[in-house]
Amino acid sequence: EPEVTQTPSHQVTQMGQEVILRCVPISNHLYFYWYRQILGQKVEFLVSFYNNEISEKSEIFDDQFSVERPDGSNFTLKIRSTKLEDSAMYFCASSDPGNYGYTFGSGTRLTVV
Amino acid sequence: AQSVTQLGSHVSVSEGALVLLRCNYSSSVPPYLFWYVQYPNQGLQLLLKYTSAATLVKGINGFEAEFKKSETSFHLTKPSAHMSDAAEYFCAVSLLQGAQKLVFGQGTRLTINP
Repeated sequence: EPEVTQTPSHQVTQMGQEVILRCVPISNHLYFYWYRQILGQKVEFLVSFYNNEISEKSEIFDDQFSVERPDGSNFTLKIRSTKLEDSAMYFCASSDPGNYGYTFGSGTRLTVV
Repeated sequence: AQSVTQLGSHVSVSEGALVLLRCNYSSSVPPYLFWYVQYPNQGLQLLLKYTSAATLVKGINGFEAEFKKSETSFHLTKPSAHMSDAAEYFCAVSLLQGAQKLVFGQGTRLTINP
């Protein structure tokens, strides 16, 4: 069964540093998403991406965040200057309207120290 | 805007007992509804989904859920709990199948007592 792959699985970074979280969505999916889950809390939507542009973003997705699909296979989330409160599990997902479902990656646990 | 409310942040049942996890949704249009399970330190796994076909939906691991429009509910059930069912369960809603964000509920942590 096709999978969404995320790397790295864990990342520790110092406050103020830039991080890039990487995802390889399912190849024939058209929509891509990033979600965040702070420890012990619910899964929160960050941004959706379709046709090489952001289709929707949440209030959390401020100017510190950006997304990119640089080469037609990878989908990245960049946090320019990390804050302690950015510590969370970040999930990538992809979907296809004809597929009736959303597939999630295993997540990247980001720890900002 | 759509939203999901999961009643009970923590549910505890005995092994072999009925599992009932509650989910109510709010949506201005007919929704698409999902249940996901998250085992400790793992990602989100799809249990089942409602896509406007049958109102009773069967999923993996013996779980099922019934869509009740009149009650705006999509409760998850399993007749007999197993120790391996211990996990966090999330209900989620989307307005446009596979083409719009999922909105998640707060989650329900299911504990199974031996």
